[in-house]
Amino acid sequence: QKEVEQDPGPLSVPEGAIVSLNCTYSNSAFQYFMWYRQYSRKGPELLMYTYSSGNKEDGRFTAQVDKSSKYISLFIRDSQPSDSATYLCAMKGGTGGFKTIFGAGTRLFVKA
Amino acid sequence: EAQVTQNPRYLITVTGKKLTVTCSQNMNHEYMSWYRQDPGLGLRQIYYSMNVEVTDKGDVPEGYKVSRKEKRNFPLILESPSPNQTSLYFCASSGDLSGGSYNEQFFGPGTRLTVL
Repeated sequence: QKEVEQDPGPLSVPEGAIVSLNCTYSNSAFQYFMWYRQYSRKGPELLMYTYSSGNKEDGRFTAQVDKSSKYISLFIRDSQPSDSATYLCAMKGGTGGFKTIFGAGTRLFVKA
Repeated sequence: EAQVTQNPRYLITVTGKKLTVTCSQNMNHEYMSWYRQDPGLGLRQIYYSMNVEVTDKGDVPEGYKVSRKEKRNFPLILESPSPNQTSLYFCASSGDLSGGSYNEQFFGPGTRLTVL
């Protein structure tokens, strides 16, 4: 079993839709949870990170962490064609120290 | 401009021919890391470094070596490449002494390696 599970998609939505991206994990020691966005032929770039449980909002993006369920989510409101990319969740902390574990990434297409 | 640079961007080589992929950052970051990205497997960490002369294994270190002799550079060495090391490689850095976050990793543009 992988430490971090993420549905690879692809996920296709119309412009303006609310997008929900999710990851589950097995290591209860993870403390930091990140979401990266990766455009084709580019390196990943950080969107948001949260520490422990709770919600964090930044513009159209909201990150949620539910440590009791070992489940994290990224919501994108009013999705735009420019949001079309691969979204990767990442986690670290606890006994793993500075080792970072990434999900496989979900490919998102937002159609105009 | 703050950035992570990698060279070369593309490399085709043959089995057993030693190669080095260079990585350099200009943000005075303490933490640097190498990842490989394969379809369906996402990013997997190869090695990381907390600071000069301090390195540790990630999840897939077999067949790779690293060194951190200077803060800004973190080369990845493949002593005897094999076809299963064909992949897209990313270098990343984070964290500086002024309090920059260790959670925000800045990634380089990637190096596409093919081993025949």
